[in-house]
Amino acid sequence: NAGVTQTPKFQVLKTGQSMTLQCAQDMNHEYMSWYRQDPGMGLRLIHYSVGAGITDQGEVPNGYNVSRSTTEDFPLRLLSAAPSQTSVYFCASSWTSGNTIYFGEGSWLTVV
Amino acid sequence: KNEVEQSPQNLTAQEGEFITINCSYSVGISALHWLQQHPGGGIVSLFMLSSGKKKHGRLIATINIQEKHSSLHITASHPRDSAVYICALTLRSHKAAGNKLTFGGGTRVLVKP
Repeated sequence: NAGVTQTPKFQVLKTGQSMTLQCAQDMNHEYMSWYRQDPGMGLRLIHYSVGAGITDQGEVPNGYNVSRSTTEDFPLRLLSAAPSQTSVYFCASSWTSGNTIYFGEGSWLTVV
Repeated sequence: KNEVEQSPQNLTAQEGEFITINCSYSVGISALHWLQQHPGGGIVSLFMLSSGKKKHGRLIATINIQEKHSSLHITASHPRDSAVYICALTLRSHKAAGNKLTFGGGTRVLVKP
């Protein structure tokens, strides 16, 4: 099993560009989520999903879109990148709430 | 007031020493997670607790639900244990809301050889 796979690992974007961070898991987990980690801010929830076709906003959803067309994939789209979105992004998955959570290796995004 | 507090914020130990990190919380939880993050690295889940005690190698995690307190112990610490350790909660109120976590501020551990 690969676990939770995130791509790309590193990306530099220009302000206004759009891009998609990919997240895939092969553990048949229902729950998936995206977090961002900023220095001094800790991890903050962007969007989450409790199953295919179901998504909801987290703490800091503005500027991001998600979809969950399959159980395996949960892509995060940056619609028009801003320097404030420079961060490290982590995708996570679990069977259900309150179970062990598996994180991807992170995606380092810089917006210039 | 933060719902979850970790202490200490920073900790330096000599190789071989016993390390304890504490996590106190003020809300009802369905689970408490201990996470490890090496510098510049990903996040690994060490333990998920809802009661009692768990052990994995040199790591021990305990939780006291009545006192709303958890500890992570590292026995015979080693320089490779140097990392940030994060306490995170699955709140009881979030049970239907995916794997939403509430995070502590993290404890930065440095183990010197």
